[in-house]
This record gives sequence, C-alpha cells and structure tokens, in this order.
Amino acid sequence: DVKVTQSSRYLVKRTGEKVFLECVQDMDHENMFWYRQDPGLGLRLIYFSYDVKMKEKGDIPEGYSVSREKKERFSLILESASTNQTSMYLCASTPGGAFLDQPQHFGDGTRLSIL
Amino acid sequence: AQSVTQLDSQVPVFEEAPVELRCNYSSSVSVYLFWYVQYPNQGLQLLLKYLSGSTLVESINGFEAEFNKSQTSFHLRKPSVHISDTAEYFCAVSANSGGYNKLIFGAGTRLAVHP
Repeated sequence: DVKVTQSSRYLVKRTGEKVFLECVQDMDHENMFWYRQDPGLGLRLIYFSYDVKMKEKGDIPEGYSVSREKKERFSLILESASTNQTSMYLCASTPGGAFLDQPQHFGDGTRLSIL
Repeated sequence: AQSVTQLDSQVPVFEEAPVELRCNYSSSVSVYLFWYVQYPNQGLQLLLKYLSGSTLVESINGFEAEFNKSQTSFHLRKPSVHISDTAEYFCAVSANSGGYNKLIFGAGTRLAVHP
C-alpha cells in the first residue's frame, strides 16, 4: 500500500513565524500535491510538483512556497504565518504521467493553528 | 471552468436506512470522477471511481455510484448504512483546468448515521 506520511498531526505556531510542513511518500510517485481543507470549501490546491525541483502554483498559492529536493519529499512553507492560514493541510501523491485517471493517495493531514 | 457541487452539506440518517449523496459537476470535456471518504482525524481515502465503461461503479463496502452524462451527475448510494459509515464524503472530478491537470473537489457531505 502507498504510504504518505505527514510529519505532524497537530501544530501550533505564532503569527509571523516561518512554518514548515513535511510530507514523505514511499511509492516512488512523481506527482505530489499540497491542499488545504476548510469547512464548506472542500479541498483547495496550493502547490503541486511533477518532479524533483519542479513546482507549479495551484489555485491558492499566495503566502505559501514549496520545496522538492528529493523525489519522496515535498515540503510546504508558510513564509510568514498569518491567522487566516489556520487550517487542515493535506499532502497527496500519484504516479507519473498525466495522472487524470489516477486516484490520489493522501496523508492523514496536519491541523495547523496560527495564534 | 470545471466545478463540482455537492448538494447537501449534511445528511443525517438512521442505521440500516438507504442513503444518497448527490454530486453534480460542470464540464464540457470528458472527465474522470471519484468519491473519497474521510473518517474523523484521517486523510481522504478513495471510495470508488469512474473512468470509462459501465456507468455503475461499486466499492467493496457496499457503496455504488452511477455516472449520468446527460445530467452531469455522479450520485453516491448505499442501500443500508452502518454506524461505521459516519464520515465526510467528497466528490471530485479530474480534468484539465487553468492549463494544468488537477483534481477538483466538492465542498463535502457529512454523513451522520444514528442508531
């Protein structure tokens, strides 16, 4: 089974801090994604990556950046955390290619609170 | 642009009763359709998917969904629910949107099964 592991289940940070959320997958998947999940809004795509050192903006990239130095690891960075970034963050991965017909494999999420 | 509408934000139901969770999508091109389930404090898991072929697809735990192209719907049904089906359910469409391939999620339907 594909395993997508997010380093923290719960995280509390202060406004203005630089925050790192880590995600690791063990199935050699090319594609990795970061979403945020908010009640009534479903999941919204922040950034995604097709390959190492490659990144693309999703629908809501403002205030975030990402890093993919190794194939199995995809990091989400909040450059200067703000209270409106309090949310559940989900990482996902799929095999390579156009991936339209591939289901995404999700981690258990990181619930981030910014105080 | 493609979008997904889940018509009910919450569906309360008694155990052993039938249930239908509604999903409509808007797209002018061929799409792939998915239902994901999120149990409390977990990430999303694939429940079932429609890629092509038979319009009725089934999951291993008794859920089924029917792809209706003319009505652009992909409703999820189960003839008899269990307490353990209590979860949030997300409908998603996989398509090219904004110049890249992506998974577009509905806002989610919270299914609450009562004894």
